[in-house]
Parts: sequence; structure tokens; C-alpha cells
Amino acid sequence: EIVMTQSPVTLSVSPGERATLSCRASESVSTTLAWYQKKPGQAPRLLIYGASTRAAGIPDRFSGSGSGTEFTLTISSLQPEDFAVYYCLHYYKWPRTFGGGTNLEI
Amino acid sequence: EVQLVEAGGNLVQPGGSLTLSCAASGFIFSDHAMNWARQAPGKGLEWVSFISSMGGTTIYADSVRGRCTISRDNSKNTVYLQMSSLRAEDTAIYFCARGRTVIDAWGQGTTVTVSS
Repeated sequence: EIVMTQSPVTLSVSPGERATLSCRASESVSTTLAWYQKKPGQAPRLLIYGASTRAAGIPDRFSGSGSGTEFTLTISSLQPEDFAVYYCLHYYKWPRTFGGGTNLEI
Repeated sequence: EVQLVEAGGNLVQPGGSLTLSCAASGFIFSDHAMNWARQAPGKGLEWVSFISSMGGTTIYADSVRGRCTISRDNSKNTVYLQMSSLRAEDTAIYFCARGRTVIDAWGQGTTVTVSS
């Protein structure tokens, strides 16, 4: 299976700052990569798919980039509601695998 | 509005069985493949199982293969996950989620606790 590795595990930032989250695949997944935001007690929320396409209703401060094995999620100016855990997920082949998550905290 | 509502989570003894359900609304259910995923306490998300839109294809994670069966009833807009031979490590919040490639909608989850 493809192993997805996210870094850092925890990222401490302040509102208004820029956050850069990384996701690395153990083999190429082309651009079949999605990013999700997860808050406690809530359903995961799709942010980005196809490595760089924002899902419907997602603010443009969220952007994704990368292809192959290296991917980045950037949040340009953090809002209070952005503090959450972020996961990457590949859908290149079966089984689907998630990264371990990055906890974005104040 | 797309809605996915899971049910059936419970406390079950090791070795026991449980069936989860997920009721879908707000979209044409029979047009969409569905998945189950889970999150163990303090851990990340784990994909568990997939079923195609008409139910002809099912796929499982190694961690549950042989112990879980995914199915769907398109007349009831519902997807199921039958779990047996449950282990402590199956303790998690179980989410149903829509999508054959991109998973684009999720339910809030239902909690399964495996403990004696």
C-alpha cells in the first residue's frame, strides 16, 4: 500500500499568519490527492482534490499544490476557525490511505 | 443538501458482531459509490471499505478483510457495514463517506466500542 506521511505533526501558528502543511507519498500518486479538515465531533470536510482544485465553498485562502510524491496545503492567512487537524488522502489505487494528520494549533 | 447519517454504533464484547448503517439523502444515492472509514481514539483517519454504486464491487482494508461486509440497499438509500469477530482495535468512530475517487461528503460518525 502507499504510505502517506504528513509533516509537521503539529504546527503552531497565529491568526493572520501563513501555514504550510506537507504530505509525501511513498510512490507516485500523480495528482490523485485530497486534503480534509477535521474538527472534533464533526465530519471531515473536503478542502482540495486533484491536488490543487478547491472544493465547492472553500475559501480561496486554502490552496494546494504538488504532484507525484510531494504535496503542499497552504492556508494564506489563518482565521480562528482554521485551527483543526488536516489530513491528506490519495485515491490513486486501493487501498486508499490517509496521512497521519497535521494538528494546526494556536 | 447532502446528508449522511450513521447509526448502529454500540458497546460490544470482543468477538462480537455489529451492523452499522448510513442513511443518505440530498442526492441520487444509486449514482454514487460509498465508503466506510474510521478514527480510533487519539488516532488519524483510516479508510475501511468501498462499495460501487450498484454494489457489484466491494473492497476492504487488510485490517478488516474477512471480518467485515459492506452492502447497500439503493431502494432505502442506505449503506451498511456488518462487522464480526470484533477486536479492541476496532474501537473507533465509523464514518460513511461518498465517492468513487474523491471522497466528497462525510457523515458525523457513529461510535463503536469493543470492550469486555
